[in-house]
Amino acid sequence: NAGVTQTPKFRVLKTGQSMTLLCAQDMNHEYMYWYRQDPGMGLRLIHYSVGEGTTAKGEVPDGYNVSRLKKQNFLLGLESAAPSQTSVYFCASSYFPASSPDTQYFGPGTRLTVL
Amino acid sequence: GENVEQHPSTLSVQEGDSAVIKCTYSDSASNYFPWYKQELGKGPQLIIDIRSNVGEKKDQRIAVTLNKTAKHFSLHITETQPEDSAVYFCAASISNYQLIWGAGTKLIIKP
Repeated sequence: NAGVTQTPKFRVLKTGQSMTLLCAQDMNHEYMYWYRQDPGMGLRLIHYSVGEGTTAKGEVPDGYNVSRLKKQNFLLGLESAAPSQTSVYFCASSYFPASSPDTQYFGPGTRLTVL
Repeated sequence: GENVEQHPSTLSVQEGDSAVIKCTYSDSASNYFPWYKQELGKGPQLIIDIRSNVGEKKDQRIAVTLNKTAKHFSLHITETQPEDSAVYFCAASISNYQLIWGAGTKLIIKP
């Protein structure tokens, strides 16, 4: 049982390049989330999904797109990377929605640097 | 927009002493308040949570208190140990599907 895995762990991009971050969970969770973590700012929700084939915007969605074609995978895309997107990205999943007393299981994070 | 304020940003305590971290939230509709612990290089992990219909919850050395009238909640860690050193985050639900997070508190346990 691997839990939540993220690929890649590190990435360096040049401004304007594109990339996709992959999140996979093996716990049969309905709910999946993408967060970014910046120093002194805690976690901010980018996009989330309440089930296969669904996506919704979070707190800071601009510049990112997501897809949930399979229940176990949640992809985060950057179409044209900007230095402001330098951050650590965390994927999380949960069985119940965020407002329920249920843990969100987090992946190990992807450290992205945009030059 | 809605926000959660967390204090202090850094807390240094002697091993064996207690630590208290405080959060204030703005959305009066928030009804779920989890606390997460993040160790270096890892994702956050849930350590304790509380619903709005409960004033206090305890799990061994950690406890959380909630004051809905004042819109603040606190994490209490007693008899601190070296393995308690980490960054702690509070969060509050702002809808069915979203949590809003505090900025984090770095807890340092001095031997």
